[in-house]
Amino acid sequence: GAVVSQHPSRVICKSGTSVKIECRSLDFQATTMFWYRQFPKKSLMLMATSNEGSKATYEQGVEKDKFLINHASLTLSTLTVTSAHPEDSSFYICSARLPGQGLGEQYFGPGTRLTVT
Amino acid sequence: LAKTTQPISMDSYEGQEVNITCSHNNIATNDYITWYQQFPSQGPRFIIQGYKTKVTNEVASLFIPADRKSSTLSLPRVSLSDTAVYYCLVGLGGATNKLIFGTGTLLAVQP
Repeated sequence: GAVVSQHPSRVICKSGTSVKIECRSLDFQATTMFWYRQFPKKSLMLMATSNEGSKATYEQGVEKDKFLINHASLTLSTLTVTSAHPEDSSFYICSARLPGQGLGEQYFGPGTRLTVT
Repeated sequence: LAKTTQPISMDSYEGQEVNITCSHNNIATNDYITWYQQFPSQGPRFIIQGYKTKVTNEVASLFIPADRKSSTLSLPRVSLSDTAVYYCLVGLGGATNKLIFGTGTLLAVQP
């Protein structure tokens, strides 16, 4: 099946710094990728839809200036958490959809655990 | 997007068949029903998708009644490794292709 990778898998940063998380589709091209955040024992929350070559679409309540998304190629989307604070500590997951596949079949990355100290 | 309601948790034993039911009373005509599985600290994994009646793959079966206001994920002969959270999602057949996750069902399989 399709493979989506994320890097890094785990990151610890100090409050006030910025962190970049990469999401790559390894064996297919993804014009659209999605970014989610998941707090412990909670469900996934969609943050934004990343579109190759255009601006990302953010969900209500998600600060676009704090969570910068760049989708510069058909296989790479990045999420940058700017001026991170402890409340940004969470599990960040990306997903991508195979072109031509059913809308429900999205492939998820393994996630990135962000800890802000 | 249609809201879904699932049991928060379920318990089972190895070798049993497990059925997890999801309610989606406001499902739209062009919506599909999709189930995902998530292990701790991992991204979700697609299990099965259907529109009506019954769908079966190598992992599970999905039963959808005629009114489509609910669906049941059936896992045959579960093992310990099936312990995970199972999410039911609807609302994917229209112009939007976003996935909105509900609370999910934590299935705990015991020996």
